[in-house]
Amino acid sequence: NAGVTQTPKFQVLKTGQSMTLQCAQDMNHEYMSWYRQDPGMGLRLIHYSVGAGITDQGEVPNGYNVSRSTTEDFPLRLLSAAPSQTSVYFCASSLNWGANNEQFFGPGTRLTVL
Amino acid sequence: DAKTTQPNSMESNEEEPVHLPCNHSTISGTDYIHWYRQLPSQGPEYVIHGLTSNVNNRMASLAIAEDRKSSTLILHRATLRDAAVYYCILRDGRNNAGNMLTFGGGTRLMVKP
Repeated sequence: NAGVTQTPKFQVLKTGQSMTLQCAQDMNHEYMSWYRQDPGMGLRLIHYSVGAGITDQGEVPNGYNVSRSTTEDFPLRLLSAAPSQTSVYFCASSLNWGANNEQFFGPGTRLTVL
Repeated sequence: DAKTTQPNSMESNEEEPVHLPCNHSTISGTDYIHWYRQLPSQGPEYVIHGLTSNVNNRMASLAIAEDRKSSTLILHRATLRDAAVYYCILRDGRNNAGNMLTFGGGTRLMVKP
């Protein structure tokens, strides 16, 4: 298994540009989520999905959209990038949403918005 | 969700045991205690979790106080590769609305050769 994969690894955007961060998992996990990590800080939840076709907002959802058309993929869209969205983005997945299981994280996408 | 308190940083010598403490005095009866770590420039990695009893796996041991108000992650023989930020996280077993991991500041573990 490749686990959780993310692309791209690095991205530089100008203010106002849009882009999609890709996330895929090959473990047939129901639950997927997106976090952001600002320098020297812990991770904060952006959006999550408990299954295909179902998404919901996390702690810091503003400026981001998600969709879950398949079990494997969970893309994160920035519609109009802002410098405040400069961060490292991590995608995670787990078998289901229960508290008694582990989450698997991808390697991250480092995004800079100028 | 109940909060956790961890020391900002700790130091250890290579090949010695490391005890990383976590206080969670407001823990509820349904909260699981999870530990993750994050190596430099990598995503978080699951270490171990438990509810009431002590737990062991290939990476570490988790010792949970009898009143569950604190726990300790034990690395039996620290290696240079164990230098990371360690996060102690509580997850409510009743929460079906989302699978949130609430990351605080964690403990930065430095391992000296």
